[in-house]
Amino acid sequence: GIQVEQSPPDLILQEGANSTLRCNFSDSVNNLQWFHQNPWGQLINLFYIPSGTKQNGRLSATTVATERYSLLYISSSQTTDSGVYFCAVSQGGSEKLVFGKGTKLTVNP
Amino acid sequence: EPEVTQTPSHQVTQMGQEVILRCVPISNHLYFYWYRQILGQKVEFLVSFYNNEISEKSEIFDDQFSVERPDGSNFTLKIRSTKLEDSAMYFCASLDNSYEQYFGPGTRLTVT
Repeated sequence: GIQVEQSPPDLILQEGANSTLRCNFSDSVNNLQWFHQNPWGQLINLFYIPSGTKQNGRLSATTVATERYSLLYISSSQTTDSGVYFCAVSQGGSEKLVFGKGTKLTVNP
Repeated sequence: EPEVTQTPSHQVTQMGQEVILRCVPISNHLYFYWYRQILGQKVEFLVSFYNNEISEKSEIFDDQFSVERPDGSNFTLKIRSTKLEDSAMYFCASLDNSYEQYFGPGTRLTVT
């Protein structure tokens, strides 16, 4: 099946810093989504981005489908950005999502 | 904005008991999913459901698990005889026609 690799596994920042999280996938996809898992365990949908670039406030994402990777940019990070960021992809058939192992982000004040 | 809801938010049960986790997907969505996440691990696919039947299931989804859409709104996951290793967060999701999946807030299942 498709493989999803996220890097780095852990990231520690000072408040105000910028960061880039990466997601590599091993095959073509119909869907790519970025999620933020908050301290209560909820998965917050950040972006649906199978290709192209999107921005939402301090967050933006780019997916280069032909090269099989996606990047999530966080600018001017805040302590509330802390948590685990997951990338997930789906292919055909039932469109089940296959998740990466996540990047654990810690933003210190 | 429409959202996926799940109940209960936390369920504690004893080993060997049956549990039913409930979800209300977004009303005009056609594909429904259950995923689970063991503490500290990644989210794993369990089962997908379309047109009132299972369309795909993972190796995890063995005979102890079943899903049902008993009416036009609810989507349930039943675990027949819970084991300690079933302790996890269970997420329900539904799919719109653009391939984007919408997740519920999850049910944390603790088996003692």
